[in-house]
Amino acid sequence: DAKTTQPTSMDCAEGRAANLPCNHSTISGNEYVYWYRQIHSQGPQYIIHGLKNNETNEMASLIITEDRKSSTLILPHATLRDTAVYYCIVRIYNQGGKLIFGQGTELSVKP
Amino acid sequence: DVKVTQSSRYLVKRTGEKVFLECVQDMDHENMFWYRQDPGLGLRLIYFSYDVKMKEKGDIPEGYSVSREKKERFSLILESASTNQTSMYLCASSLVVPPNYGYTFGSGTRLTVV
Repeated sequence: DAKTTQPTSMDCAEGRAANLPCNHSTISGNEYVYWYRQIHSQGPQYIIHGLKNNETNEMASLIITEDRKSSTLILPHATLRDTAVYYCIVRIYNQGGKLIFGQGTELSVKP
Repeated sequence: DVKVTQSSRYLVKRTGEKVFLECVQDMDHENMFWYRQDPGLGLRLIYFSYDVKMKEKGDIPEGYSVSREKKERFSLILESASTNQTSMYLCASSLVVPPNYGYTFGSGTRLTVV
């Protein structure tokens, strides 16, 4: 089972920041938080990942709470092309390193 | 950029046929994965492989097998296709040592079994 919970859907106005929350209250100390998104009819695309510090790249920022039980993905200036399903994933640390996906958040960016 | 290429974007097969879905990656990744995606069920792991000739069952391996004879290629085999295997199939690859930039997915193969 997925170790994360996310809202099913969210709306965001174009040009505004999109803040996508994720709860992962049972995360282990050596597990990372990954975010992916899936645009319709495409494969999931990596966005960002982090362990405990906040992270930023050209796509987004990731804010992880100090207790690591939740995180927020921030798209600072959402565009229509950011409309997608966003998955928050806790990576299981084993030989297989498999990703287990939850249901994700369907983000709709509206003009 | 890492590329994961799935041989077919759309595929239509008949019930009972043996179906091969091919996936090739070009970045020398150790790990490769096969998922299927269905509405309301999300992405579910079928099989994965962390080395040549190695394979591990995922969450829904029934009705499927896999082959990894070369590091860059991971094949998903439907021994006798059934209509309940109509789905989007996604292949992914990754390095084995965490953390890394993540997993890279192919564009998917939409399989219809009639």
